[in-house]
Amino acid sequence: AQSVTQLDSHVSVSEGTPVLLRCNYSSSYSPSLFWYVQHPNKGLQLLLKYTSAATLVKGINGFEAEFKKSETSFHLTKPSAHMSDAAEYFCVVTPSGGYNKLIFGAGTRLAVHP
Amino acid sequence: DGGITQSPKYLFRKEGQNVTLSCEQNLNHDAMYWYRQDPGQGLRLIYYSQIVNDFQKGDIAEGYSVSREKKESFPLTVTSAQKNPTAFYLCASSRWDSDNTQYFGPGTRLTVL
Repeated sequence: AQSVTQLDSHVSVSEGTPVLLRCNYSSSYSPSLFWYVQHPNKGLQLLLKYTSAATLVKGINGFEAEFKKSETSFHLTKPSAHMSDAAEYFCVVTPSGGYNKLIFGAGTRLAVHP
Repeated sequence: DGGITQSPKYLFRKEGQNVTLSCEQNLNHDAMYWYRQDPGQGLRLIYYSQIVNDFQKGDIAEGYSVSREKKESFPLTVTSAQKNPTAFYLCASSRWDSDNTQYFGPGTRLTVL
């Protein structure tokens, strides 16, 4: 069985400081892992994805995530937060290939303060 | 400009009415999906379709129906049997191969009056 746990429901940072959003997963298969961002009343936008290539994945808007199999983690980071980063972030896992059900984390709401 | 469009952005429905939400994609994706999102929660799968004229129930299909007559289109009907339809509805599409990344539309917010 697969599952995703986002360890923080809310994260608050100051503009210009680093961002860390934590995600742990469990999967019986070689997983694909994703981070999506959702701004209020908007759809989900793909930030980045891991599909068994490089373990450090670079995404859009300066975000990156590192796949650590030994720790079953896929934490999302950004060196310097911008006000526009304030949104809900979802960590998602699925087995690779074809249709496989997306397993969503509960989400982490990121607040960025001036 | 490739992408997924959903219409309308906001929809109001009286109790007992059926309403249909539109989803169109020009990404040439084989698979399409409908999700429901409630406040403070993740997404739950309603229906998905791998190919034209075929679709499968997801986790919360009761009170919903879909059709897939064209590759580009996957409309969702919220019927009067859906007891609590007020929610944010998201459509997605993907390829059906080793790269199954799902891409999402902007969503439709449905409110029952």
